[in-house]
Amino acid sequence: AQKVTQAQTEISVVEKEDVTLDCVYETRDTTYYLFWYKQPPSGELVFLIRRNSFDEQNEISGRYSWNFQKSTSSFNFTITASQVVDSAVYFCALSEGSYNTDKLIFGTGTRLQVFP
Amino acid sequence: NAGVTQTPKFQVLKTGQSMTLQCAQDMNHEYMSWYRQDPGMGLRLIHYSVGAGITDQGEVPNGYNVSRSTTEDFPLRLLSAAPSQTSVYFCASRSARDAPSYSNQPQHFGDGTRLSIL
Repeated sequence: AQKVTQAQTEISVVEKEDVTLDCVYETRDTTYYLFWYKQPPSGELVFLIRRNSFDEQNEISGRYSWNFQKSTSSFNFTITASQVVDSAVYFCALSEGSYNTDKLIFGTGTRLQVFP
Repeated sequence: NAGVTQTPKFQVLKTGQSMTLQCAQDMNHEYMSWYRQDPGMGLRLIHYSVGAGITDQGEVPNGYNVSRSTTEDFPLRLLSAAPSQTSVYFCASRSARDAPSYSNQPQHFGDGTRLSIL
């Protein structure tokens, strides 16, 4: 069965600190896709990144970076020099290998609070 | 383009009432789906559709019905509302032509419907 675990329920940091959000997944598929979404206090879901299982290259986008390690089934997300605007709930998600539906399996989310 | 539009944004129901949550997309996406978000549970898939006339159950389908008579619309029906269905509901759509290798946005989510059942 597929599963996504975000063990960190809530993280609090002070502005300018670096923070890493953990995501561990389980799947029997050899082809799968991983996602990160941000949900700010306003409630909408904001897409951050998608990764397929064949691409283990780390990704950096501004202050955001992602570390994908198949050996540990992890897809961790780091925010460098955090800002108050980063305060949100962050979800990691997994989609089935065939990717011919719209089925996502979400983790329970990590609430990040960045204090000034 | 409006993207994915969900109506209403808020709704309060009494136990036993029925209602339909509307979801419409104007991007000609084949795939549509409904999720519910509960505190501490993340988002869970209720029902999904891969095209007009085709629907299937997700992880938590009980108490909900869907139909997909057009590509644009994917309504979610609560037949007899129960307090356990108090949640935030999200509709999503995605193009079947979306390639997983692309880095552009895959699923498009609506802004959600906050439903309270008393």
